[in-house]
Formats: sequence, structure tokens, C-alpha cells
Amino acid sequence: QQQVKQSPQSLIVQKGGISIINCAYENTAFDYFPWYQQFPGKGPALLIAIRPDVSEKKEGRFTISFNKSAKQFSLHIMDSQPGDSATYFCAARDDKIIFGKGTRLHILP
Amino acid sequence: DAGVIQSPRHEVTEMGQEVTLRCKLISGHNSLFWYRQTMMRGLELLIYFNNNVPIDDSGMPEDRFSAKMPNASFSTLKIQPSEPRDSAVYFCASSSGGRPGELFFGEGSRLTVL
Repeated sequence: QQQVKQSPQSLIVQKGGISIINCAYENTAFDYFPWYQQFPGKGPALLIAIRPDVSEKKEGRFTISFNKSAKQFSLHIMDSQPGDSATYFCAARDDKIIFGKGTRLHILP
Repeated sequence: DAGVIQSPRHEVTEMGQEVTLRCKLISGHNSLFWYRQTMMRGLELLIYFNNNVPIDDSGMPEDRFSAKMPNASFSTLKIQPSEPRDSAVYFCASSSGGRPGELFFGEGSRLTVL
């Protein structure tokens, strides 16, 4: 059973556009929702994270929107740049961190 | 400061052989996680340790897989015997504190079993 469902699997966005990646979960015990960014040949690295008592968190061009009642959260990348091309993973924590399957994002120059 | 260090970075082996992957944690971190990454299944948690003690190994695929943490800074993941379906990138990650916050990943070990 997949605990964290992520979509889309892949995404192509024009430079300057908004990239949106969505995740959903079922386990109400999750209390921390990070997003990780992975470049080819590298390990994932923490990008931004949110706790469920907050509906939105913004860091630069990256924003997490969190809907506790719907058990959904999303990552928005504003003014997407070619350097943002990477795989993005949403994740959730109870006593361990469970990852979604990832979204391969490609930003067209 | 050195990050999480994994070795080998690449391993090609034949079916039936034993494979040992190694991981050195960031100094001061007390939790260690082994993940496996494939295109089909994404990042799967195999096992994690807290203060050298295995806490949850429910993600370990089968008895062919075993993991140890002989001291606070080092862990191994062993596959014996290896099979082609074990081909994947294996990551270890470390964190500090009781419950995992930010995970710091190594660069991974890419395993190919022929």
C-alpha cells in the first residue's frame, strides 16, 4: 500500500512558468511533510518542509500548500528555471520518513 | 564537514554473488536509513537504525537482505545471494535526534546484477 501518492510522474514546464506537484496521504499520524530535490547521480536533498498546523510555507520561489482536511499537499515552483530540472519527492513522517514515487521535472529553456 | 559517504559508488556483479554496500554516517548523527531507488517503485525504505539498534526492518525485501550497524558511525547492507531484480541505486541517509527530521543522503551505490 502506497502511503504517499505523488503526481504527476513527469512534468514539462516552460521557463518562467509555474511547476505544480501534488501529493496525498492517508495516515493522520504523519506530522511532518518535507520535499526533497534530486539531481542525476546525486542523493536527494531537503528542499522545503511543512508541519500540518500551517497551511502554507514559502521559501524563495518554492511554496508548499497544505490542506489538512483533504490530506493533500503540493509544491509550487514559481518562475521555473532550467536549473530546477530535477526529480522531486514529497514525503511524510510518522516515526520514519516515507517518500512518494517522485516527479521528474524538466524546464524548457 | 564530510557528508554521508557510501561505497562502492558502482557495483556490477553476477547473479548469486554476495554484495556488501557500506555507509559512513555524518559525525554526531544517531539515525541511519537504507533506501532503495528504482524507476518503478521510487524510494523505498528498507531498514532504519536509531542509536545502532534496528527499529524497523519491514521494508527489507526478503531474507537475502541483511543490514548491520556495528558502531555509531558505520553500517553495511548485504545481499546474499544477489538476483537481477536487486539492481537499483541504494542510498543511505543519516539524521540527528529522536525522530527523523532532515535526512542527509549519500550519493548512492548503483548495483547491477547480471
